[in-house]
Amino acid sequence: QKEVEQNSGPLSVPEGAIASLNCTYSDRGSQSFFWYRQYSGKSPELIMFIYSNGDKEDGRFTAQLNKASQYVSLLIRDSQPSDSATYLCAVIGKAAGNKLTFGGGTRVLVKP
Amino acid sequence: EPEVTQTPSHQVTQMGQEVILRCVPISNHLYFYWYRQILGQKVEFLVSFYNNEISEKSEIFDDQFSVERPDGSNFTLKIRSTKLEDSAMYFCASSAGPYQETQYFGPGTRLLVL
Repeated sequence: QKEVEQNSGPLSVPEGAIASLNCTYSDRGSQSFFWYRQYSGKSPELIMFIYSNGDKEDGRFTAQLNKASQYVSLLIRDSQPSDSATYLCAVIGKAAGNKLTFGGGTRVLVKP
Repeated sequence: EPEVTQTPSHQVTQMGQEVILRCVPISNHLYFYWYRQILGQKVEFLVSFYNNEISEKSEIFDDQFSVERPDGSNFTLKIRSTKLEDSAMYFCASSAGPYQETQYFGPGTRLLVL
């Protein structure tokens, strides 16, 4: 069973601070990694993706990937109350169907 | 900005009834997916579809489920005989390509089986 694990939270951060979210995955053949944001009752919305080891920055978001450690993280800088949501880590492995395997999500609460 | 659309937004049905959930993927996308999310649980993969056939399906996607692309725009999920445990939010997604292409999700259909 290919698993993606996340701390469920809630992760409480003050407005303006950095939120750090972590994700580990079990399938060493995984090749694509995505962070989605999901507001309560809504669908997952892409934040960013990363395919290669290292860091990738997009605005206030930075994704970090370490394939040797099977670890991917997301940093949210200058956190805003509107960032309060559940953040889903999702992974595509080597199978033919491109299925996304999701973690359970980390709930983030940004307090003004 | 192009988006995936789904109808209906909510569906209530009696156990044993058939339901069809409809999706219109992004127009130039070639890969289509269904996922579901039971309340409070993970988003789970059901099936992927490419070139008019199923690419991969999960253990959840048993004989009571089927998918179809009846025309050039719609992508449907049929549940033949609904069970109480089928109550969930069903998301359709599409992508332009495989592997490294982002999957974009529709708003979902909330299915309640009574």
